[in-house]
Amino acid sequence: QKEVEQDPGPLSVPEGAIVSLNCTYSNSAFQYFMWYRQYSRKGPELLMYTYSSGNKEDGRFTAQVDKSSKYISLFIRDSQPSDSATYLCAFYTGRRALTFGSGTRLQVQP
Amino acid sequence: DTAVSQTPKYLVTQMGNDKSIKCEQNLGHDTMYWYKQDSKKFLKIMFSYNNKELIINETVPNRFSPKSPDKAHLNLHINSLELGDSAVYFCASSQDSGMEETQYFGPGTRLLVL
Repeated sequence: QKEVEQDPGPLSVPEGAIVSLNCTYSNSAFQYFMWYRQYSRKGPELLMYTYSSGNKEDGRFTAQVDKSSKYISLFIRDSQPSDSATYLCAFYTGRRALTFGSGTRLQVQP
Repeated sequence: DTAVSQTPKYLVTQMGNDKSIKCEQNLGHDTMYWYKQDSKKFLKIMFSYNNKELIINETVPNRFSPKSPDKAHLNLHINSLELGDSAVYFCASSQDSGMEETQYFGPGTRLLVL
């Protein structure tokens, strides 16, 4: 079983749709849960992070963590064409390195 | 001002050659990293340096050698390049807070080995 599972997509949605991106993980040592956004031919940039189960909201973005199910989600409300990118879930174990999912490619159609 | 910069952005070379990629961060961070992103977009840690000291050295061939002349720079030297080394290499940095790690990534170096 892979340490992190993430559907690669592509996920294509119309502008204004609610987007749901998900990752499952198997490593109980993961302490912090993050979402990175990567535009084409760019480096990943941190979008959101959380360290506990529950929801965290930032503007149109909501990160959700369910530690008991080892499942994290990122919701994007009112999606915009500028949200078109690859979204990577990432996990931190305290070893000074991140473990990434393989990324989900999102296309928001105008 | 670019926070984490890498040179070169593109590198096309022949099998068997030796090449280096340079990374610099102007964020004052203590920890720097090298990640490799393969053709399937899978991003994997290779090395981690904290204040010029090697912290993490994942299962990477000996042909890859990181060098940190000071805490603002982390270079990656690759000997005897192979076709499978073709990938995008990302440098990143973070502050040594001991807790959460907000890592800032460079723009990547696209390496193509022919």
